[in-house]
Amino acid sequence: NAGVTQTPKFRILKIGQSMTLQCTQDMNHNYMYWYRQDPGMGLKLIYYSVGAGITDKGEVPNGYNVSRSTTEDFPLRLELAAPSQTSVYFCASSTVLGDTEAFFGQGTRLTVV
Amino acid sequence: GENVEQHPSTLSVQEGDSAVIKCTYSDSASNYFPWYKQELGKRPQLIIDIRSNVGEKKDQRIAVTLNKTAKHFSLHITETQPEDSAVYFCAASIPGGYQKVTFGTGTKLQVIP
Repeated sequence: NAGVTQTPKFRILKIGQSMTLQCTQDMNHNYMYWYRQDPGMGLKLIYYSVGAGITDKGEVPNGYNVSRSTTEDFPLRLELAAPSQTSVYFCASSTVLGDTEAFFGQGTRLTVV
Repeated sequence: GENVEQHPSTLSVQEGDSAVIKCTYSDSASNYFPWYKQELGKRPQLIIDIRSNVGEKKDQRIAVTLNKTAKHFSLHITETQPEDSAVYFCAASIPGGYQKVTFGTGTKLQVIP
């Protein structure tokens, strides 16, 4: 049972470059989330989705974009990478919006230099 | 918005001792309180959760207590073992059109053999 799968696991970007973090879940969850985790800061919500075609901003959406064309996939796009986007990114999914266990992917460690 | 404070940020205990991690939340409408464990380099995973209509919940060596009046909840780990060493995150969730989950900043627990 794969659960939530993220790729890549590690990435180094140069300032100004762009990239897409991929996230796929096989649990048929309607709700998906992108978080960033900075040292000592917990998890901050970037974007979330309540179903295919529906996305909304979280606490820290600036510099990111998302799309949800299918139930399974929820990619996160970074445009014009900045050093402030150096972080660990986690994708997650759940059966209910915020009111039950969230299943996390294994994370993507991104460094912008 | 909701604010979740978590203390302590680091905690060292001897194997076999108990560990207590405390969180406070600001919005009295919060009704769901999960705890996640994150081992080094791995994804966060739910270990226990509690809802606002319950004061205490236990699962083997782990328990969570909730005081709605004081707006705080705590994680208790008894008979700690080296494999309990990890970062623990509390979270609080507010019902509504978007049930927002706010995470605490994490507690790094070290169990010394």
